[in-house]
Amino acid sequence: GAVVSQHPSWVICKSGTSVKIECRSLDFQATTMFWYRQFPKQSLMLMATSNEGSKATYEQGVEKDKFLINHASLTLSTLTVTSAHPEDSSFYICSASSGQGAYEQYFGPGTRLTVT
Amino acid sequence: GEDVEQSLFLSVREGDSSVINCTYTDSSSTYLYWYKQEPGAGLQLLTYIFSNMDMKQDQRLTVLLNKKDKHLSLRIADTQTGDSAIYFCAETSGGSTLGRLYFGRGTQLTVWP
Repeated sequence: GAVVSQHPSWVICKSGTSVKIECRSLDFQATTMFWYRQFPKQSLMLMATSNEGSKATYEQGVEKDKFLINHASLTLSTLTVTSAHPEDSSFYICSASSGQGAYEQYFGPGTRLTVT
Repeated sequence: GEDVEQSLFLSVREGDSSVINCTYTDSSSTYLYWYKQEPGAGLQLLTYIFSNMDMKQDQRLTVLLNKKDKHLSLRIADTQTGDSAIYFCAETSGGSTLGRLYFGRGTQLTVWP
């Protein structure tokens, strides 16, 4: 089946630093990738949608200058949390769709970010 | 925006059937999904149903869709302790961003031995 990986699986960083999270589709070409944020015992909150080769579309209330998304190839999207603060600590999950009948969306295992 | 509602908790005994319910508000929903999330992990797609279907069965999983009432359910037969997880209902509609999913808050299923 379709496999999506994320790296790193967890990261601890200091306030003010930037952290990059990678999302890769391993066995299919991901026309579209999605980035979600999940708080403990909460649902997933869509942050942005990215299509390969074009700028990401951010959801209302998500700062695009703080959460930089790059979808440079059909198998890789990155999320960079810039100038991280403790309130950015969360579980970040990406998903990918091949775009062909986009009804199947495959999720990565998530990245736990802790900002100290 | 679109609302997807689920009950938050469900407890069952091993071997019993589990039924997780979900309601949604978007009448233009095209696909409805059930995802499973185990602790500290991402979401695993369990099954999905197209809006013109009433039922879909896949091994121990049965999905029922009542489009009139906008009600979706997931039945897990012979529930096992390994089924303990959070189950998310999600939907997408053709009118919104391609593939954009709207999730419920998830139902924590606990299976007792």
